[in-house]
Amino acid sequence: ETGVTQTPRHLVMGMTNKKSLKCEQHLGHNAMYWYKQSAKKPLELMFVYSLEERVENNSVPSRFSPECPNSSHLFLHLHTLQPEDSALYLCASSQDSQGHAFFGQGTRLTVV
Amino acid sequence: DQQVKQNSPSLSVQEGRISILNCDYTNSMFDYFLWYKKYPAEGPTFLISISSIKDKNEDGRFTVFLNKSAKHLSLHIVPSQPGDSAVYFCAAIHNAGNMLTFGGGTRLMVKP
Repeated sequence: ETGVTQTPRHLVMGMTNKKSLKCEQHLGHNAMYWYKQSAKKPLELMFVYSLEERVENNSVPSRFSPECPNSSHLFLHLHTLQPEDSALYLCASSQDSQGHAFFGQGTRLTVV
Repeated sequence: DQQVKQNSPSLSVQEGRISILNCDYTNSMFDYFLWYKKYPAEGPTFLISISSIKDKNEDGRFTVFLNKSAKHLSLHIVPSQPGDSAVYFCAAIHNAGNMLTFGGGTRLMVKP
């Protein structure tokens, strides 16, 4: 048990669907992240929330929309995705200045 | 442009021998480095880290070496065990922040 829980573990969605990924951490951390892992690519940082404030990543398409209602929960809302968005989406949390992040098990997303 | 690179996508080692995983970085502002280990269908888990003020950090079978002048770090696992078979990610942070930049990963296979 990592302390960071992601649901669902697997998701298949059509390009016109709207879905949300959920992440929950019980570690008392004040920073949360969304990462994307595509095949043969480095882990890509998508969004960071620190003290519930969002740090924008301009390279992420607007069809991905994060939400952080409180320090323990993080969502990634998905809308009109493309097949190339199929990947493993990982949530992580950390405590400021401690460096290492704790990851959830990820959501394997397939866009059809 | 990738700031953290792991040039070997895979490595195969015999059980009991040493595994050496390498990582290069380009950003001289990085001052904290981490290794994560990832099993299939799980999120990455933190393994070991090193601050830029050190050149070596050891934890049991795992040792990380940092060569700042070469912008290179390596992870040594000795003796290697079959349970060490996983994907290993190198990551870096600068200015004591909390945004990890990851390399592409190296798949380690330890053969019995």
